[in-house]
Amino acid sequence: EPEVTQTPSHQVTQMGQEVILRCVPISNHLYFYWYRQILGQKVEFLVSFYNNEISEKSEIFDDQFSVERPDGSNFTLKIRSTKLEDSAMYFCASTVGQGAETQYFGPGTRLLVL
Amino acid sequence: AQSVTQLGSHVSVSEGALVLLRCNYSSSVPPYLFWYVQYPNQGLQLLLKYTTGATLVKGINGFEAEFKKSETSFHLTKPSAHMSDAAEYFCAVSDRYAGGTSYGKLTFGQGTILTVHP
Repeated sequence: EPEVTQTPSHQVTQMGQEVILRCVPISNHLYFYWYRQILGQKVEFLVSFYNNEISEKSEIFDDQFSVERPDGSNFTLKIRSTKLEDSAMYFCASTVGQGAETQYFGPGTRLLVL
Repeated sequence: AQSVTQLGSHVSVSEGALVLLRCNYSSSVPPYLFWYVQYPNQGLQLLLKYTTGATLVKGINGFEAEFKKSETSFHLTKPSAHMSDAAEYFCAVSDRYAGGTSYGKLTFGQGTILTVHP
């Protein structure tokens, strides 16, 4: 069964460093999402991406964050200058359509900023 | 803005007992409703969803949920818990299509950790 994959599974970085989280969505999916979950808190929407552009972003997704789909298969989330409060589990999801369609989630990348 | 409330961050049941996990949403227009499960070190997996039609929805692993518009609820149940049901369960909603290209994001509840005792 096709699945969403994410790398790395864990990443430790120093405050102020750039990190890139990678996701490979399911191949025929068209809509892509990033969510994050700070320890003990809700899973929060960060950004959605369709047709090579951001379709919606949350207040969390400020200028320090960017997404791209560089090669038609990978979907990346970049954090330009990490802060302590960026420590969280980051989930990628993809879906074939919008609204009622099921979003398929990857296993997540646990990011720890020291 | 949408919000989702899951009553009880931890629920503990005995093996064979009824599982009831509660979810309420706040929206004047009923959204699409989802239950996801997360096993340790794994991603979120869809259990079931309600989009339209019959309000009692059956999902995987014997789970079901009933959409009750009057109560703005979508509680998850399973008649008989199994040890393998121990996991974290998330209720989530997404807005029904209202035009444009920017919809589909999920809004999650805080999650309920289910523990099953032998």
